[in-house]
Amino acid sequence: GNSVTQMEGPVTLSEEAFLTINCTYTATGYPSLFWYVQYPGEGLQLLLKATKADDKGSNKGFEATYRKETTSFHLEKGSVQVSDSAVYFCAQVNTGFQKLVFGTGTRLLVSP
Amino acid sequence: EAGVTQFPSHSVIEKGQTVTLRCDPISGHDNLYWYRRVMGKEIKFLLHFVKESKQDESGMPNNRFLAERTGGTYSTLKVQPAELEDSGVYFCASSQGQGPLEQYFGPGTRLTVT
Repeated sequence: GNSVTQMEGPVTLSEEAFLTINCTYTATGYPSLFWYVQYPGEGLQLLLKATKADDKGSNKGFEATYRKETTSFHLEKGSVQVSDSAVYFCAQVNTGFQKLVFGTGTRLLVSP
Repeated sequence: EAGVTQFPSHSVIEKGQTVTLRCDPISGHDNLYWYRRVMGKEIKFLLHFVKESKQDESGMPNNRFLAERTGGTYSTLKVQPAELEDSGVYFCASSQGQGPLEQYFGPGTRLTVT
């Protein structure tokens, strides 16, 4: 079945450091891929998405590229801020369906 | 525009009791979803309503869980009787239209069964 695998956390970085959170997926067909973020005390928010191979999603300085050949959708940011501290979830939804399949989430802690 | 709201934010009940969670989607959203995150694990899909009809309930764990969506507006998720393994955070989300859409999530209800 479809699944998403994320790197385990927590990821601890200093402000202005480079961030990578790895995400790989298995799927039948060609899913759409998402990164959701959950800030403390809040619900999940869509951070970015990509709907086909080689698409790059971007938002708030975060980027992720849909790599079909490596079945990956790694999240990157060039310079993190303390306010980026949150839990990040990689997810997919397969064509013709609407249920999201999530990874386990990766907690990011950014210190000043 | 109001977002997805969920009530209560936190519920603590004893094993064997009944709990009802409520979700109010964004006004006008036909699609409503329930998900659950058990401690430290992935968020798992429970079911999907289109208006008042259950489109996909493949993720419902067992018949102790009952979801309804009265008149295609708010939804309730009842757990009866609750078991220890039902503890977790229950998220509701809504969207409008078809296809791989952005789903707007509520803040979740944290359920603790003791």
